[in-house]
Amino acid sequence: DADVTQTPRNRITKTGKRIMLECSQTKGHDRMYWYRQDPGLGLQLIYYSFDVKDINKGEISDGYSVSRQAQAKFSLSLESAIPNQTALYFCATSEVTGELFFGEGSRLTVL
Amino acid sequence: AQSVAQPEDQVNVAEGNPLTVKCTYSVSGNPYLFWYVQYPNRGLQFLLKYITGDNLVKGSYGFEAEFNKSQTSFHLKKPSALVSDSALYFCAVRDIPFNDYKLSFGAGTTVTVRA
Repeated sequence: DADVTQTPRNRITKTGKRIMLECSQTKGHDRMYWYRQDPGLGLQLIYYSFDVKDINKGEISDGYSVSRQAQAKFSLSLESAIPNQTALYFCATSEVTGELFFGEGSRLTVL
Repeated sequence: AQSVAQPEDQVNVAEGNPLTVKCTYSVSGNPYLFWYVQYPNRGLQFLLKYITGDNLVKGSYGFEAEFNKSQTSFHLKKPSALVSDSALYFCAVRDIPFNDYKLSFGAGTTVTVRA
């Protein structure tokens, strides 16, 4: 089983719909992150969490929200999806200043 | 502010030849530097990191990288490339101690190794 699991792996939805992407990890790390990947732009940080009671905005948090339900679970929500949120989304975990461990990604298409 | 630049969108090499993927960075403090590889339809996989110590860092799959403070570079190298090394490569940096939470990524370099 993967250390960082994302569901769903692929999702097609319509403009205005609410979407939730879920992430769970077995690494035992306190730090969790949501990144967005767009071709030619690398990865941009959406939100990050250092523990269950700590949630912080990243570079591109507008239009997104998150919930840290437990140390091992960190979900990303799009309250009202729009087409420019079509992207590949990655959840990741890390120790304090170590490398990130990524999930396999969730490909979201908003029509 | 921290940033990373990968000046080449694409690198093409023949199998068996040396492979170099370039990365330069900008930080206010001390850099923690990382290389990741992404295969199609997969997540990013960690290759290697520089935190402190020896400027030459060895990582997974025969890759290595050299930290050069004066040139603010962290180029990824492999002495003899394989077709299976064809993938998207990302350089990333943390600015310690100013941004210990944030890993900033370059735009990525697509490596194609031809047989």
